[in-house]
Parts: sequence; C-alpha cells; structure tokens
Amino acid sequence: NAGVTQTPKFQVLKTGQSMTLQCAQDMNHEYMSWYRQDPGMGLRLIHYSVGAGITDQGEVPNGYNVSRSTTEDFPLRLLSAAPSQTSVYFCASSYGRGYYGYTFGSGTRLTVV
Amino acid sequence: AQSVTQLGSHVSVSEGALVLLRCNYSSSVPPYLFWYVQYPNQGLQLLLKYTSAATLVKGINGFEAEFKKSETSFHLTKPSAHMSDAAEYFCAVTTGNTDKLIFGTGTRLQVFP
Repeated sequence: NAGVTQTPKFQVLKTGQSMTLQCAQDMNHEYMSWYRQDPGMGLRLIHYSVGAGITDQGEVPNGYNVSRSTTEDFPLRLLSAAPSQTSVYFCASSYGRGYYGYTFGSGTRLTVV
Repeated sequence: AQSVTQLGSHVSVSEGALVLLRCNYSSSVPPYLFWYVQYPNQGLQLLLKYTSAATLVKGINGFEAEFKKSETSFHLTKPSAHMSDAAEYFCAVTTGNTDKLIFGTGTRLQVFP
C-alpha cells in the first residue's frame, strides 16, 4: 500500500516553462488536494477535488490548473512557471469530508529560475 | 470561513521540559481540528485529531491536545520533550459543511539538551 505518491521529488524550471506535478493515491480516496508550503506561510490550498470530474479552487489557484479524470490521479499543471511559484508542493488525499483527516505525499520541491 | 492561528512561529524547550504549542481556531460551526507534524525534508504526518467525541485527545509520540470551545483553542502539549520531537507542527481546521482543510502557519519546535 503506497499511500500518496508524488513525482518528481525535485525539479528546476526556467521562467515560462510548463510542467505537470504528478500525484497518485491507491487508497480509493474521493478527496484530493494540492498545497504549497512557503516559509512562514504554512500550507496554502491551491486546488482540490471531491471526486473524479470535480475540481475547485483553493486559496491560491492562480497560475495552476488541475483535472481529475480518475479517482487515483490528481495532476497539478503549471502553465507558465514564475519565480513566485518556487515552493514545496504537497498532494494529500482523504476518504471524505470532515473528520477523516488527510494523508500527505512526501512533496515536490520546485525551483523556478 | 474557517481559520486557525498558531501563536509563536518558534518554540524552544529543554529536553525533559513541558511542550506547549498554541492553536486558536475560528469557525461558525462545530470544527474538526488536527495537529500534523513535519520532520525535516518530509511530508506531514497526522499527530491527532478532534472530531467531537472527547475534548481531550491523545495522539502519537506522547502528544495530546484539549479542545476548549469557550477559548476557541486546541493547544498541543507533551509533558516531557525529547530530542526527536524537534520538528514543525501545524494546526488545521475543517468542518462538516466544507471540503477544505485549512492550515495555520506552523510552529517550529527546537529541543535543547
């Protein structure tokens, strides 16, 4: 049981490049979320999904796209990378709303130069 | 909307001393509250959660937290700090009528010998 798997673990991009951060879970969780972690700012919600085909914006969605074609996968796309998107990105999944809590992946450290 | 405030971005204690990490929440409906721990260069791990069953919640590694509705608080404590407790700790909140899990800005715990 792998839990939540994120790839890649590290990535360096040039300004203006695009890329996709991958996230997969094998726990049959309906809820999945993407967060970014920046020093002094905690974790901020980028986008989330409550099931296949359903996505919504979080606190800081600009510059990012998501889609959820399957229950297992929830990729995060950076359309045109900017230095302000340098961060550590975490994917998380949950069985459902409320008290279930989230299981987190190990993160992707992204640097945009 | 829900929110959490963590007082103190850094807390330092001696090994064997009491650990107290503060978290206050804001929610117009009954909240579900969580504490997560993040060790260096790792993802987040659930320490404990409050789901309205009991106000005093015990978690892993000897940590516990008490839900106090009158004070809108959910402080994390451990009677005796260990060197291995050095990490960053995050408080988070959600409710039964939202799909979002919202995090505080985190508290970095240092433990000195």
